[in-house]
Amino acid sequence: GIQVEQSPPDLILQEGANSTLRCNFSDSVNNLQWFHQNPWGQLINLFYIPSGTKQNGRLSATTVATERYSLLYISSSQTTDSGVYFCAVRTGNTPLVFGKGTRLSVIA
Amino acid sequence: NAGVTQTPKFRILKIGQSMTLQCTQDMNHNYMYWYRQDPGMGLKLIYYSVGAGITDKGEVPNGYNVSRSTTEDFPLRLELAAPSQTSVYFCASSYMWGAGEKLFFGSGTQLSVL
Repeated sequence: GIQVEQSPPDLILQEGANSTLRCNFSDSVNNLQWFHQNPWGQLINLFYIPSGTKQNGRLSATTVATERYSLLYISSSQTTDSGVYFCAVRTGNTPLVFGKGTRLSVIA
Repeated sequence: NAGVTQTPKFRILKIGQSMTLQCTQDMNHNYMYWYRQDPGMGLKLIYYSVGAGITDKGEVPNGYNVSRSTTEDFPLRLELAAPSQTSVYFCASSYMWGAGEKLFFGSGTQLSVL
């Protein structure tokens, strides 16, 4: 099946810093989503982005489908951005497959 | 809209006990999913359903059973609980399958089997 690799596995930032999270996948995809899991465990859908670029406030995402990667940008990070960020992809008619996530800690 | 609701939030089971994790959604989504999340790992799919009366196995179905008698409800049954089933369980739903699908998650059930 499709493989999903996220990097880095852990990231510590000072409040106000910018960061880039990466998601590599091993096959062509028809669906790619980014999720944020907050410290209380809640999973929130951030972006549906199988290709192209989207922005939502301080967060933006870019997927280059032909090169099989996606990037999540967080600008001017805040402590509320802490948590785990997951990338999930789908190929063909199979269910979504999740990466292992990037754990982000933003320190005041 | 309550979205996706899971109960209970926490549960401790003894080895060999059985229980049902409840999941209900009020968004009229056809597609529902059960995932488990182990520490430091991503989410692994246990079972999914594409509509009432239709279920299929995911990546890690052993030790679990599901049913889907209504669009709203998708309970997960653990028979003969084992320590390996200690995990956080998430139910999710979506309004479509494939391209364009977006998942909506419940708040999770933390299960410990001792």
